Amino acid sequence: GNSVTQMEGPVTLSEEAFLTINCTYTATGYPSLFWYVQYPGEGLQLLLKATKADDKGSNKGFEATYRKETTSFHLEKGSVQVSDSAVYFCALLQPGANNLFFGTGTRLTVIP
Amino acid sequence: NAGVTQTPKFQVLKTGQSMTLQCAQDMNHEYMSWYRQDPGMGLRLIHYSVGAGITDQGEVPNGYNVSRSTTEDFPLRLLSAAPSQTSVYFCASSYSISDAYEQYFGPGTRLTVT
Repeated sequence: GNSVTQMEGPVTLSEEAFLTINCTYTATGYPSLFWYVQYPGEGLQLLLKATKADDKGSNKGFEATYRKETTSFHLEKGSVQVSDSAVYFCALLQPGANNLFFGTGTRLTVIP
Repeated sequence: NAGVTQTPKFQVLKTGQSMTLQCAQDMNHEYMSWYRQDPGMGLRLIHYSVGAGITDQGEVPNGYNVSRSTTEDFPLRLLSAAPSQTSVYFCASSYSISDAYEQYFGPGTRLTVT
């Protein structure tokens, strides 16, 4: 079946630190992969996506590379800001399907 | 343009009570969906709709009903609430089912069933 595993949180970092949030997946075939972000009191927003192996998604300084050989899609940012404090969700979608499979979410807190 | 709106923000129900969670969008999106978010689990799809008059079940539909009489509205009904339905509920929409990954999410309804 399809599933997504994310690193357990919460993650607390100082401003300007390097961020990595691990995400691995189990799926048949060639799913598309996504990172969503949920800011306090808001719904989820699509942060970035990658639709095939070796694709790199990027947005707002965040990056993630679709690694089929390790079934991973780790989220990285070189220098986090306080405004990046949020919950981050990794997700996958099979081609032709509409059911996104989400990881459990990782809460990031960035302190000044 | 309000996006996706949900009401209420918070609700407490007793076991066996019924209620409707409201969801509306003003973007003329055809595809709408309901998810629940539970601690230690990712969001799970409850029901979805690809247009007015068309609904279908998602991953965890039991205990919930939906209808889609207009493009804008997609209410979620709990006919007889159970403690297992304590969760945060998100409504989402997108232009079409093929854009399901790029859904706009509402702010959520936090439901507690005692």
